[in-house]
Amino acid sequence: ILNVEQSPQSLHVQEGDSTNFTCSFPSSNFYALHWYRWETAKSPEALFVMTLNGDEKKKGRISATLNTKEGYSYLYIKGSQPEDSATYLCAFPYGGATNKLIFGTGTLLAVQP
Amino acid sequence: DAGVIQSPRHEVTEMGQEVTLRCKPISGHDYLFWYRQTMMRGLELLIYFNNNVPIDDSGMPEDRFSAKMPNASFSTLKIQPSEPRDSAVYFCASSHRQGGNSPLHFGNGTRLTVT
Repeated sequence: ILNVEQSPQSLHVQEGDSTNFTCSFPSSNFYALHWYRWETAKSPEALFVMTLNGDEKKKGRISATLNTKEGYSYLYIKGSQPEDSATYLCAFPYGGATNKLIFGTGTLLAVQP
Repeated sequence: DAGVIQSPRHEVTEMGQEVTLRCKPISGHDYLFWYRQTMMRGLELLIYFNNNVPIDDSGMPEDRFSAKMPNASFSTLKIQPSEPRDSAVYFCASSHRQGGNSPLHFGNGTRLTVT
């Protein structure tokens, strides 16, 4: 059974703090790793799709790295703002080159002003 | 583009009733997915379609659940008869490339409450 794990489950930081969280996935048969941001009362929104070992992607203050050999990805937020408060989900295609995305349970980030 | 459109936004029904959830994917997207979100299990994939054909329905919990995609711009998820444990938020999503390296675009979800 495919297991996508995220840690921590939740995180409370102050405005201006930088933070990071982890997504762990099976390193065998890797194809892609997705990150999504999910604000309360909205729908998940894609941040990054990463496919290459060592890849680093950036979108504003948010960036992500990928290590396919050891099976983890980090998401970083530099200088957190209250509007960054959301659940951050990672997802992994089950069985390699397939559209069947399995989601982790997410990291809930709360940024206090 | 209007994005993925789901209806209704909220549905409250009594146990035993039939429930139909609707989805219009983004035009040009070949893949359509139905997910269910619950506190206990997070986001679970129920079924997905490619070019209107169901590819994997292994996540559909029971025979009470069925999904159809009669054309490229419309899909339904039906629960008949509904039960209280079906209460959840149901999301539809679409994507336009094969192989798991294409991001999903989610609709706003339908919050289903079965009393």
